[in-house]
Amino acid sequence: QKEVEQNSGPLSVPEGAIASLNCTYSDRGSQSFFWYRQYSGKSPELIMFIYSNGDKEDGRFTAQLNKASQYVSLLIRDSQPSDSATYLCAVKLARGSTLGRLYFGRGTQLTVWP
Amino acid sequence: DGGITQSPKYLFRKEGQNVTLSCEQNLNHDAMYWYRQDPGQGLRLIYYSQIVNDFQKGDIAEGYSVSREKKESFPLTVTSAQKNPTAFYLCASSISVAKNIQYFGAGTRLSVL
Repeated sequence: QKEVEQNSGPLSVPEGAIASLNCTYSDRGSQSFFWYRQYSGKSPELIMFIYSNGDKEDGRFTAQLNKASQYVSLLIRDSQPSDSATYLCAVKLARGSTLGRLYFGRGTQLTVWP
Repeated sequence: DGGITQSPKYLFRKEGQNVTLSCEQNLNHDAMYWYRQDPGQGLRLIYYSQIVNDFQKGDIAEGYSVSREKKESFPLTVTSAQKNPTAFYLCASSISVAKNIQYFGAGTRLSVL
């Protein structure tokens, strides 16, 4: 099992809808969780990070963390065509010599159509 | 302007040649990282450095080398031993490995002539 797994998509939603992106991770001791947005041909841009169980909201974005089930999700409310990008989930695993590294999923491609 | 600067934006390598990708940051971050991204793939860690004069291999270090002589700079050399170097190379930094919120530079696209 890979350390961090995401549904590669593509995920397609209409403008104004809620987009839901999911990520699971293998290490139960993981502590920090990050969502990055990557437009085609560009570098990843940090959207949100979350450390504690529950929800964290920032504008139209909500990160949800469930450590017992080992998943983290990103909800995008009122999706806009400008949200069309690949979303990368990253996890700081808490094991041994790799302490402090981030492990990235392969990303979920989101398309928001007008 | 604070940030991470990667250069060049595009780079072409000839057979048997070593090339060096530059990464400079003025964020006063201790930790720096190099990733490789292939089309449709996630990010794979090449090398990372927690502090000046120290670095560790990532998952795909073979054919690459790094140095960290200054806090601001973490250059990556793609050696001739790397047989498939064509990829998008991303440099990132964070305040520390412990507080690992990573920010990325704009990237360098490397192609083989």
